[in-house]
Amino acid sequence: KAGVTQTPRYLIKTRGQQVTLSCSPISGHRSVSWYQQTPGQGLQFLFEYFSETQRNKGNFPGRFSGRQFSNSRSEMNVSTLELGDSALYLCASSFGGKEGYTFGSGTRLTVV
Amino acid sequence: AQTVTQSQPEMSVQEAETVTLSCTYDTSESDYYLFWYKQPPSRQMILVIRQEAYKQQNATENRFSVNFQKAAKSFSLKISDSQLGDAAMYFCAYRSFYGGATNKLIFGTGTLLAVQP
Repeated sequence: KAGVTQTPRYLIKTRGQQVTLSCSPISGHRSVSWYQQTPGQGLQFLFEYFSETQRNKGNFPGRFSGRQFSNSRSEMNVSTLELGDSALYLCASSFGGKEGYTFGSGTRLTVV
Repeated sequence: AQTVTQSQPEMSVQEAETVTLSCTYDTSESDYYLFWYKQPPSRQMILVIRQEAYKQQNATENRFSVNFQKAAKSFSLKISDSQLGDAAMYFCAYRSFYGGATNKLIFGTGTLLAVQP
């Protein structure tokens, strides 16, 4: 079956701009989580969506937001980009979470 | 709050040899899940092995096995017969037993494993 698909793979944006990243989960998975990975902070949880509702949110400013559609596809948005937002953004989907999570290949965001 | 610690930033192993990666965690919960993920240069996180805390038996997946010591809050990964393809960053992760608002992974800082031919 198809894996988790994240688009785009690479993105370069300018400070102050906004960006939208997309994630298509494995068919049948209703939970989609987002993580930010940086060399300094490691892997940090952003938020989780389940059946179009945000169930869980990490400690990130309000500039980071997301949503989930009825087909479980999810988007995350970062507004007013800062240099520190440069990171690899990983999406993970799961059926319930206990069995583990399947990750996408990530979107590498560079803010200049 | 739960924390996960990986004290070995880098490890190296000879091809065909065995290596053990360490992970400790802190939690006040009695039931939870632990995972080891592998992240090769392709960036995709790949699930290596999973352990349910309420099961005393150590999980095994082919050449990968864990040593789960619940009282010591230790969860190490043993890779036997190391192969060049095992070279990657390895992350230990914790998930609360109860989903819902706690359905998230808490990661350690990772161990970069090099495999020497």
